[in-house]
Amino acid sequence: KQEVTQIPAALSVPEGENLVLNCSFTDSAIYNLQWFRQDPGKGLTSLLLIQSSQREQTSGRLNASLDKSSGRSTLYIAASQPGDSATYLCAVNPNSGNTPLVFGKGTRLSVIA
Amino acid sequence: EPEVTQTPSHQVTQMGQEVILRCVPISNHLYFYWYRQILGQKVEFLVSFYNNEISEKSEIFDDQFSVERPDGSNFTLKIRSTKLEDSAMYFCASSESLPEADTQYFGPGTRLTVL
Repeated sequence: KQEVTQIPAALSVPEGENLVLNCSFTDSAIYNLQWFRQDPGKGLTSLLLIQSSQREQTSGRLNASLDKSSGRSTLYIAASQPGDSATYLCAVNPNSGNTPLVFGKGTRLSVIA
Repeated sequence: EPEVTQTPSHQVTQMGQEVILRCVPISNHLYFYWYRQILGQKVEFLVSFYNNEISEKSEIFDDQFSVERPDGSNFTLKIRSTKLEDSAMYFCASSESLPEADTQYFGPGTRLTVL
């Protein structure tokens, strides 16, 4: 059974700092991996999706990497801003776009001005 | 850009009451899903639906839950007799059919509070 773990559970950084969020998964046979952002009490906003054949994806100040063989992904946020404060969720798609996503518990990020 | 919508945004109910959560998936999508997130916990899969029937369900999705596509646009989750532990955020999602499907698109969620 696929399990997704995110470390750390919470992170507080000063504005402008670069940071890395970690995600690990137990079964390396995945279809793709996705990072979401969740603001308190709100829905899920997709940030980046990495296919199993890809090593990384970039969008603006965000860069996500995938090492499928070791069961790890990282989300790198450059030059963090207070508006980046949110919970970041990692989700693994085990089989195809139509199979249930398996989520980690998330990393709660606070960027202090 | 097309999006998944959900109503209501917040539902408060008494324990034992029935609730129906509504979702309008993206119009050309054929797969529909419900997930839930108990406060402070992971987002968990409940059920997926395709071609007017359940395609997969988790152990959470017991006889108290049911799903329906009553017309060409809506997708509903019914909880027959709510319990305190059903209090959670419920997310609807939809996806295209293979081979185009890359991922699921999530709605904004319905916060269910059971008193």
